[in-house]
Amino acid sequence: EAGVVQSPRYKIIEKKQPVAFWCNPISGHNTLYWYRQNLGQGPELLIRYENEEAVDDSQLPKDRFSAERLKGVDSTLKIQPAELGDSAVYLCASSLGQTATGELFFGEGSRLTVL
Amino acid sequence: AQSVTQPDIHITVSEGASLELRCNYSYGATPYLFWYVQSPGQGLQLLLKYFSGDTLVQGIKGFEAEFKRSQSSFNLRKPSVHWSDAAEYFCAVAKPIAGTALIFGKGTTLSVSS
Repeated sequence: EAGVVQSPRYKIIEKKQPVAFWCNPISGHNTLYWYRQNLGQGPELLIRYENEEAVDDSQLPKDRFSAERLKGVDSTLKIQPAELGDSAVYLCASSLGQTATGELFFGEGSRLTVL
Repeated sequence: AQSVTQPDIHITVSEGASLELRCNYSYGATPYLFWYVQSPGQGLQLLLKYFSGDTLVQGIKGFEAEFKRSQSSFNLRKPSVHWSDAAEYFCAVAKPIAGTALIFGKGTTLSVSS
């Protein structure tokens, strides 16, 4: 069974440029999460989807970040424009059911460097 | 709001020696508790989880964790460490309510010396 797939694995951009990350969750997982992991820190939730609906986006910086999950499967996380402080690893995870009762399966992450 | 503290940023253990990684949480009731491991260049993998019942939880790769309500702790242990255990370990909590997200600690980096 394929795991959570993310792309690109690495991205280097200059500040003020846009960037997008893509995530394909495990087949059948209706819950999808985007986390951001800064260097030396634990992952922090950006947004959680139940199927197509964003049910928790309170930590998403909406002035520059956006996300979508069309058809309740793949998801895209976009940053426009990127700032130096956005350098981090962006992790996508999926689960079957809701967090507190289901294991989260994580992708390998997309490492963003903003110059 | 709930929070997680992992007091040790970096631990070095000799191969074959025992290991204990500390985790303390802050929450008004008993949360759901998790330990994840992250190897270099890889995604987070669940080691074990605690929801209720027996306070000693067995996980994969020979790891176990013990929930102690009186100490608000959920420490991870392994009796004999292997070199392949070198990685970063994250403790996480979630409200015992379906539909809430995991909150992670800052992690503990484990180095294994030969």
